[in-house]
Amino acid sequence: NAGVTQTPKFRILKIGQSMTLQCTQDMNHNYMYWYRQDPGMGLKLIYYSVGAGITDKGEVPNGYNVSRSTTEDFPLRLELAAPSQTSVYFCASSYIVSGNTIYFGEGSWLTVV
Amino acid sequence: DQQVKQNSPSLSVQEGRISILNCDYTNSMFDYFLWYKKYPAEGPTFLISISSIKDKNEDGRFTVFLNKSAKHLSLHIVPSQPGDSAVYFCAASEGQNFVFGPGTRLSVLP
Repeated sequence: NAGVTQTPKFRILKIGQSMTLQCTQDMNHNYMYWYRQDPGMGLKLIYYSVGAGITDKGEVPNGYNVSRSTTEDFPLRLELAAPSQTSVYFCASSYIVSGNTIYFGEGSWLTVV
Repeated sequence: DQQVKQNSPSLSVQEGRISILNCDYTNSMFDYFLWYKKYPAEGPTFLISISSIKDKNEDGRFTVFLNKSAKHLSLHIVPSQPGDSAVYFCAASEGQNFVFGPGTRLSVLP
């Protein structure tokens, strides 16, 4: 059981470039999330999805886009990368039952230079 | 406006002693609380949780205490081991809305 899988693990982008962080989960979870973690800070929610075809903004959505065409996949798109997007990105998923646990992928380290 | 606070950025404890990590929250609608452990270059992993209808939950060396009136929870690790050295995140949830604290770095000294 792989859980939540993210790719790539590490990436260096130039300012203005675009890229997609891939995320897939095999637990049949309804909810999926993208968080970013900056040094000394907690996890900030970028976007989340309550099911295929439904996405919504979190606390820090600017500069990002998402899609949810299937239950398993929830890619995060960075358009026109900026140095402020240098961060560690975590994809996560959870089941709809209240009081459930959220499960994280291993993280994607992104540097924009 | 941090809804979940962990006021100690770091904590050092001697091996074998008790580690106590604290967390405070402001939103009284939170009904479920979790602790996550994170090693460098890895994703957070679930450690232990507690529902708002309880005041204590125990799992081996880990115990979480919840004081709803004070909007405070704590994680106790007894006895602490060097492998417990990591960053610990407190999280609170209302339904599927999870809010995380900034983390406390625990160092267990041999």
